[in-house]
Amino acid sequence: SQKIEQNSEALNIQEGKTATLTCNYTNYSPAYLQWYRQDPGRGPVFLLLIRENEKEKRKERLKVTFDTTLKQSLFHITASQPADSATYLCALDMKSNTGKLIFGQGTTLQVKP
Amino acid sequence: DTAVSQTPKYLVTQMGNDKSIKCEQNLGHDTMYWYKQDSKKFLKIMFSYNNKELIINETVPNRFSPKSPDKAHLNLHINSLELGDSAVYFCASSPRGTSGITSYEQYFGPGTRLTVT
Repeated sequence: SQKIEQNSEALNIQEGKTATLTCNYTNYSPAYLQWYRQDPGRGPVFLLLIRENEKEKRKERLKVTFDTTLKQSLFHITASQPADSATYLCALDMKSNTGKLIFGQGTTLQVKP
Repeated sequence: DTAVSQTPKYLVTQMGNDKSIKCEQNLGHDTMYWYKQDSKKFLKIMFSYNNKELIINETVPNRFSPKSPDKAHLNLHINSLELGDSAVYFCASSPRGTSGITSYEQYFGPGTRLTVT
């Protein structure tokens, strides 16, 4: 069966450390993978998109990797800050004209000062 | 200026009622979506329109009917509301599908929390 899984348990880290979030999928072949941030009571906000032929993508303190062999994406936040505390969602993008995204359930990150 | 707006933000109603949620985007995008986020936080696509044409229609009860009067608006009407319809409904838009555009990110509205009692 098709699945997309993120760490269901919350991730607690100390300010200044690197947070690493995992997104695994089975029986999908996404052309792209997107990461979003969602704060309580708000809509998701787009962070990064990585293509199947890209190994790594960076934006400021964010880094995403995409391993189509392992069927896994890792999302890193370096020098984490309390303001980074939120739920992070990964989404598989099949590159169809419809733009249909299949979301994971999200991982909640708590950065403690 | 709000890019994707939804009204109302909260909606409390009784079983059997009919209700509508409105969505508007001022980003000039051609594609709009409706998502449902349940209590376990799963965000699931329901419908999508590209320039007023329905392009995604997931397995959703017929009681849910989207309507797109123009490409900047996508409304969701729900008939005969049931307890299981309680969730947060998000509207989103994307430049995807617009001629000459190769951006695929989606922009979400603030959500409408629907509670059916």
